[in-house]
Amino acid sequence: AQRVTQPEKLLSVFKGAPVELKCNYSYSGSPELFWYVQYSRQRLQLLLRHISRESIKGFTADLNKGETSFHLKKPFAQEEDSAMYYCALSSSSGSARQLTFGSGTQLTVLP
Amino acid sequence: DAGITQSPRHKVTETGTPVTLRCHQTENHRYMYWYRQDPGHGLRLIHYSYGVKDTDKGEVSDGYSVSRSKTEDFLLTLESATSSQTSVYFCAISETRGGAAKNIQYFGAGTRLSVL
Repeated sequence: AQRVTQPEKLLSVFKGAPVELKCNYSYSGSPELFWYVQYSRQRLQLLLRHISRESIKGFTADLNKGETSFHLKKPFAQEEDSAMYYCALSSSSGSARQLTFGSGTQLTVLP
Repeated sequence: DAGITQSPRHKVTETGTPVTLRCHQTENHRYMYWYRQDPGHGLRLIHYSYGVKDTDKGEVSDGYSVSRSKTEDFLLTLESATSSQTSVYFCAISETRGGAAKNIQYFGAGTRLSVL
């Protein structure tokens, strides 16, 4: 069975500092990984997916199959980055797709 | 917002009462999902649907049932609500490619349910 682990429940950094949110996974197949973000009082929205290898809002994430990790990074955190971040792994169930989420990391960027 | 509407947005109910949450979508998506969000657990899949009258169980389906009698509506029912079902419930959809679900899911705004 697949599993996603986010070891940090809470993470605080100062504005302008680098930030890294950790995500580790276990999955027997070829993983497809995502980062979702939930800003205060807003719905969950997709931030990044590993296959697109793009930078969104200054965030990047690299899939490391050897370490089974998909850490989210940003070199200079901004106050508007404060939010709950979820790492998720997609797996197939028949023709449907299931997302297995980590427990989330609440990021607070301090002024 | 991918045309997803959840109702009600907030509900308080008593233990033992039945509760139905509704997810409505306007874009004719085949695949729909119900998750619950709890601190320390993230989001966990309750049930999902892959078409009208086609549903299956997710990770935490005990105590929940679903129905999909038309494409646009996916209903989640708690037959007899318990305090452990106090949670935030999210509906999601995924688009289709070649008949199968695409990986990205889009979420509704959520329903906050309190069972007293």
